[in-house]
Amino acid sequence: EAGVVQSPRYKIIEKKQPVAFWCNPISGHNTLYWYLQNLGQGPELLIRYENEEAVDDSQLPKDRFSAERLKGVDSTLKIQPAELGDSAVYLCASSLRRTGELFFGEGSRLTVL
Amino acid sequence: AQSVTQPDIHITVSEGASLELRCNYSYGATPYLFWYVQSPGQGLQLLLKYFSGDTLVQGIKGFEAEFKRSQSSFNLRKPSVHWSDAAEYFCAVGHNAGNMLTFGGGTRLMVKP
Repeated sequence: EAGVVQSPRYKIIEKKQPVAFWCNPISGHNTLYWYLQNLGQGPELLIRYENEEAVDDSQLPKDRFSAERLKGVDSTLKIQPAELGDSAVYLCASSLRRTGELFFGEGSRLTVL
Repeated sequence: AQSVTQPDIHITVSEGASLELRCNYSYGATPYLFWYVQSPGQGLQLLLKYFSGDTLVQGIKGFEAEFKRSQSSFNLRKPSVHWSDAAEYFCAVGHNAGNMLTFGGGTRLMVKP
């Protein structure tokens, strides 16, 4: 069974440029999460989807970040425009509702110059 | 709001020695507790979880953890560390049936030959 797939693995952009990250969760997983992981820190939740509905996006900086999960399967996280402080790893995870076990992708490492 | 504290940012142990990584949590109800491991450039992998029942839980790769409600702790242990255990370890507390995780800051484990 394929795990959570994220792309790109690495992205280097200049500040003020847009960037997008894509995530394909494990087949059948209703819940999808985007986490932000700064260097040397634990992951912090940005947004959680139950199927196609964003049920927790209180930590998502909505002035520059947006996310979507059309059709309740794969998801895209966008930053526009990117700032220097956005340099981090963006992790996607998925889970079956009620199991409490999150499966993580390998992450997308963003460097903003 | 829930929180997780991992007091040790770095730990170095000799190969073959025993290991204990500390985790303290703050949560108003019965917690769901997790330990994840992250190797460099990789996503997070679940080592073990506690939902209820026996307070000593066994995980993968020879790890175990003990839930102590009176101390609000969920420490991770391994009797004999292998060089391949060198990684970052994250403790997390979950609510909403464990689907909403709050991570600690992580402990980086280094293993001396």
